[in-house]
Amino acid sequence: DVKVTQSSRYLVKRTGEKVFLECVQDMDHENMFWYRQDPGLGLRLIYFSYDVKMKEKGDIPEGYSVSREKKERFSLILESASTNQTSMYLCASSFYRLAKGETQYFGPGTRLLVL
Amino acid sequence: GDSVTQMEGPVTLSEEAFLTINCTYTATGYPSLFWYVQYPGEGLQLLLKATKADDKGSNKGFEATYRKETTSFHLEKGSVQVSDSAVYFCALRLRPNAGGTSYGKLTFGQGTILTVHP
Repeated sequence: DVKVTQSSRYLVKRTGEKVFLECVQDMDHENMFWYRQDPGLGLRLIYFSYDVKMKEKGDIPEGYSVSREKKERFSLILESASTNQTSMYLCASSFYRLAKGETQYFGPGTRLLVL
Repeated sequence: GDSVTQMEGPVTLSEEAFLTINCTYTATGYPSLFWYVQYPGEGLQLLLKATKADDKGSNKGFEATYRKETTSFHLEKGSVQVSDSAVYFCALRLRPNAGGTSYGKLTFGQGTILTVHP
C-alpha cells in the first residue's frame, strides 16, 4: 500500500523559530511536493523535487526552503517562522509512467500554528 | 496561467440526494483532470481522474466526464451518503515536459465542502 508520512500532525511554534517539517514516502517515487492548504484558497505549491538534491520553486516559495538528501525524504524548512505561515502543510509524492500518467499521493498533513 | 474554478460551497444535502459539484478550468495545452477528496482530519485522496477529452472517471459511485468543449469536469453522484461528507478538490495537470523530468505540477481549485445529513 502506498504510504506518505509526515513527522507531526500538529505543531505550535513561536515567531522567529526555525521549523522543520519532515515527509517520508516508501514507494520509491521520484517526485515529491510540499503544499500549503488555506480555507478558500485550495492547495498552493510551495516547492517540489523531482530527484535527490534537486528542487524547484512552486507558486509561493517565499519564506520557505527545502532539502532532499535521500530519495524517500523531503523536508520543508521555515527559516524564521511568521504568523502568516500558520496553515495546514501537505506533502505528496508521485511517479510518472507513460502508460498510466501520474498520480500524487498525499500525507495526512501537519497543522502548524505560529504564535 | 492555468487555473481551476470550483463552485462555491459549502454544499449541504440530505442523504440520498443527487450531487453536482461544478469545476471548470483554463489551461494552455491539454491537461489531465482530477478530483481529490479530503475526509475530516486526513490528507487528500485521489477520487477519480480523466486524461483525455470525453473520458469518464468513476469511483465509489462518483463520476466526472472530461468536456473539452466546455472546459469542465463536473463531479456527480446519484445518491450521497453521510460518509461522503468531506472537502472535494478539482485539479488539473499539464503533461510532463519533454525535457525528461517526470513531474507534472498540479493546480487545484479552492475546494468545496460537502455536508450530508441523515
